Amino acid sequence: DAGVTQSPTHLIKTRGQHVTLRCSPISGHKSVSWYQQVLGQGPQFIFQYYEKEERGRGNFPDRFSARQFPNYSSELNVNALLLGDSALYLCASSPTMTTYNEQFFGPGTRLTVL
Amino acid sequence: DQQVKQNSPSLSVQEGRISILNCDYTNSMFDYFLWYKKYPAEGPTFLISISSIKDKNEDGRFTVFLNKSAKHLSLHIVPSQPGDSAVYFCAASDRGSTLGRLYFGRGTQLTVWP
Repeated sequence: DAGVTQSPTHLIKTRGQHVTLRCSPISGHKSVSWYQQVLGQGPQFIFQYYEKEERGRGNFPDRFSARQFPNYSSELNVNALLLGDSALYLCASSPTMTTYNEQFFGPGTRLTVL
Repeated sequence: DQQVKQNSPSLSVQEGRISILNCDYTNSMFDYFLWYKKYPAEGPTFLISISSIKDKNEDGRFTVFLNKSAKHLSLHIVPSQPGDSAVYFCAASDRGSTLGRLYFGRGTQLTVWP
């Protein structure tokens, strides 16, 4: 069975640009969460989507947005990129909103902002 | 605000010995705790969890202990194997209010040497 997939693997952008990151959850999983992991830190929660609706949002500015599609895949969008947005962006899927011990992570997208 | 803390950035243990990874938390509303393992270029992988109604949970070589009064949990790995070398993240959740959101510590790099 395919796990959580994310694309692209790596991305280099310059300040002020916009970026879209993509995530495909495990088949049958309806919940997708996004996390940002800055070097030397643990993952920080950005969003959770369930059944195509935003169910939770972390302390991130409005430059960060996301959506979930009918097939439960998800996109994370970041506008007006800052140097501090450089991080590993992780996507996690789970069958429901609250299935904590079955929250599977993808390998992440490494974003570098120059 | 770092609500989950892993104060040891690294731990080095000889193969066959016990590895003990520690984690402290500040939010008394946290009622579910998880440990994830992360290899380079991969997403975090769920390892073991514990609910706040328990003080111990065991799964093979891995045991998690929870001390609610001290707001402290630990992961014991016995016996340690070289393949256990990875970054270990402690995570917590308040299932009553922040559905699906996990709060992570900064991680501890475990190195198991032969």
